[in-house]
Order: sequence, then C-alpha cells, then structure tokens
Amino acid sequence: KNEVEQSPQNLTAQEGEFITINCSYSVGISALHWLQQHPGGGIVSLFMLSSGKKKHGRLIATINIQEKHSSLHITASHPRDSAVYICAVPSSGGSNYKLTFGKGTLLTVNP
Amino acid sequence: DAMVIQNPRYQVTQFGKPVTLSCSQTLNHNVMYWYQQKSSQAPKLLFHYYDKDFNNEADTPDNFQSRRPNTSFCFLDIRSPGLGDAAMYLCATSRDTGPADTQYFGPGTRLTVL
Repeated sequence: KNEVEQSPQNLTAQEGEFITINCSYSVGISALHWLQQHPGGGIVSLFMLSSGKKKHGRLIATINIQEKHSSLHITASHPRDSAVYICAVPSSGGSNYKLTFGKGTLLTVNP
Repeated sequence: DAMVIQNPRYQVTQFGKPVTLSCSQTLNHNVMYWYQQKSSQAPKLLFHYYDKDFNNEADTPDNFQSRRPNTSFCFLDIRSPGLGDAAMYLCATSRDTGPADTQYFGPGTRLTVL
C-alpha cells in the first residue's frame, strides 16, 4: 500500500505570501492528484500530474517522479484560498481508481 | 456548466430509518463513486459503478447499497442508519478508472442521524 505523507499539517499565512505544501509517497506512481476541500464542503480537483509542472491561475503544482515527491504552490495567497489541500495517489495494479489520500494540509490565510 | 450535483445537501434521519442520497452528473462519465467522509478523516470509498457494473469495496457494510438507473444518476441507500453513519457523503465521477483519470466530486450531502 502506498503511504502518502503531507507537510505541513497546518499552515497559517498572511495575505500575499507564497505558500508551499509538500507531498511524498512511498510507491512509484504514474499520476498524482491535488484536491481542495473547504471546511464542511465538497472536494474540488485542482490538478492531475504525471510529470513536470502545471499552472492554473495562482496555483502551481510540480512533481518529481524519481524522488516520489510533489509540491503545490500558491502565489499571492488570499483569504479565499483557506481550505484543506489534499494530495492523492492511485493504487497500483487493477485498482487505479482507488485513491490513497494524504491527511491534508489545513491552510489559513489571514487578511 | 457540466457538473456533479448532490441532493439534498443536508439530510437528517432517525436511527434505523432508511435514507436515500442522490447524485447526478452532466459529464456523461462512465464511472460514478460514493465516498464516506467522517470529520477530519480522508474520504473512504464505499463502491463505484463502471457503467452498469457495480463494484463494492470489501469493507463496505451491507447496510449501504447503491443503484444506478442510468448514466446520469446514482443513488446511495442506507437501509438502517446508525449513529456511526453520520458523515459527509461524497459522489464523484470519472471518465474511466485509469490512474490519470480525474475524479470530479460533488458538493456532498451531510447526513445527521438522530
């Protein structure tokens, strides 16, 4: 089973700061997902990464397959970015649909 | 906009009284999933449909059932809710079941059991 570790668990920032959330996993994968969940809310899929880097607005996600590590960056953070950010990796073999979720990083951005 | 819709957003039921949660999608995806998420925990996959094929997770209690009458709709039935079934229930869809297939989640239904 893939072990997914996220750091930090909690992160507090001031508006405008650059944010980095890290994710590492133990078993090689072909894709990794970054998700966002606002408190009490549903989940939004932010990125699916299989290599390199993706950018969407102020969000940037990178992955290093060899090092089994991914990072999510938020530039010019805003209070509306406050949410739990979750890294998830698919299981190997025939159950690729089954995601192993990290414990999440609770981000609070203060105005 | 194409999306995943869940109804109701909040559901209150009594201990032992059957309840049905609804999910619909306009993405025309093959796969629909149901997850249970308890407070401060990761979502737990209950089961999924690939088209009409039902796939139950080994540790999903028999109390949880599902129906998918057509591509767009999927229902979660809890036959006799217990207090431990109070949770957020998330529906998700994906085009296929590959590792790179993004799962699109609905807003969730928060179930309270009295």
